[in-house]
Order: sequence, then structure tokens, then C-alpha cells
Amino acid sequence: SQTIHQWPATLVQPVGSPLSLECTVEGTSNPNLYWYRQAAGRGLQLLFYSVGIGQISSEVPQNLSASRPQDRQFILSSKKLLLSDSGFYLCAWSADRGLYEQYFGPGTRLTVT
Amino acid sequence: TQLLEQSPQFLSIQEGENLTVYCNSSSVFSSLQWYRQEPGEGPVLLVTVVTGGEVKKLKRLTFQFGDARKDSSLHITAAQTGDTGLYLCAGERGGSNYKLTFGKGTLLTVNP
Repeated sequence: SQTIHQWPATLVQPVGSPLSLECTVEGTSNPNLYWYRQAAGRGLQLLFYSVGIGQISSEVPQNLSASRPQDRQFILSSKKLLLSDSGFYLCAWSADRGLYEQYFGPGTRLTVT
Repeated sequence: TQLLEQSPQFLSIQEGENLTVYCNSSSVFSSLQWYRQEPGEGPVLLVTVVTGGEVKKLKRLTFQFGDARKDSSLHITAAQTGDTGLYLCAGERGGSNYKLTFGKGTLLTVNP
């Protein structure tokens, strides 16, 4: 069976500090990978998605970047955090064919102080 | 422009009541999914509907896809406190490059 991991679970960082959130998937190959941000327990904002190693599509211009160094690893980064980067970050995967149903990780709660 | 409108945004009911939440769009979707999310956790996929008019049941939950594949509903019978959570619908449009369009969700609270 497939499993998706995210870490850390919670993070408190000062403004201007760097960020690295990691997501890994087990039990599948060549997944599509996604980073979302969720504000105040409401809808999901798609930040980045990737259909293969080194292939990143950005949905929203922002202070963040994403990388996919390995098939089942997806990293969300920032060089300098802003207060507005606070939120709940979710990683998800879907199969590379079929209905593209997405399966989410447990999320990272980021607070920028 | 929000492509998927969910209503109501908030719903608070007593245990044992029935409820329906809606997901509407002016766009046609190839498939539509419903997720439930509990506080502090990631959304969990409940069901995917693909065919216009399709009805799927998951215990006390009944999901329906509109005939024109532009809307969907989720009906819960005899709600329980464990049904509390944020219900999100998400649709896939043809040519969407593997992306889903998410609604903003319905926050359901079932009181004991």
C-alpha cells in the first residue's frame, strides 16, 4: 500500500529565516506530487505540482519554491520567510494515470513570527 | 472566480439529523471527488464519481453526480458526531494537466 510522509509536523520560524519542508511517498512509482497551502481550515491553494523528477510547475507567484530531486521526494523551500507564509502546508500524490485521485499527507503547521 | 461553489459554508446540526451539502459549477468535470478533513490533518478521499447521474453510497453517506457533470451533492443520513469535519469537493477538468479544482468546503459540526 502507498504511504505519504511529511515533516516536520509543526514549525515556528522567525521572519527572514529559510524554510525546507519535505514530503516522501512510498509504495508507488512516478507519482504526480503536489504542494498546497490551506488557510484557516478552508479551501486548498495549489502552490506547485510535479509530474516527474526535476519537473516543477508553479501556480502562484510567491516567496516559495519547490524541487523534486528524486522520484518520490518533493521539497518546499523558501530563502526568506514572510509573515504571510504562515499556514497549513499539505503534500499530496496521485497516480500518473487514471482518475488522478489525490492522497494527502498529514500536513505541516508553519507559524512565522 | 471560484469554479466550484460549495454550500452551505457552515452547518451545525444535532446528532441523528439528516443533511445535504452541495458542490456547484458552471463548468463540466470529467470526475469529481469528495474529501473529509479533520482539524490538523490532511483531507481523506471519500469517493470519486465519474458518470453523469451516478450515485454512490458509503454507509450513511450518499454521493450524487449531476446529469450534466457540473454539480454534486453529499447527503448524510442520521449524522453522528464522528461526521464532524470539513467536506471538500474537487473536480478534474479535461486537459487540466493532472490538477484538481477544489471548492472552499463545508464545515460540518454534529452536536451530541
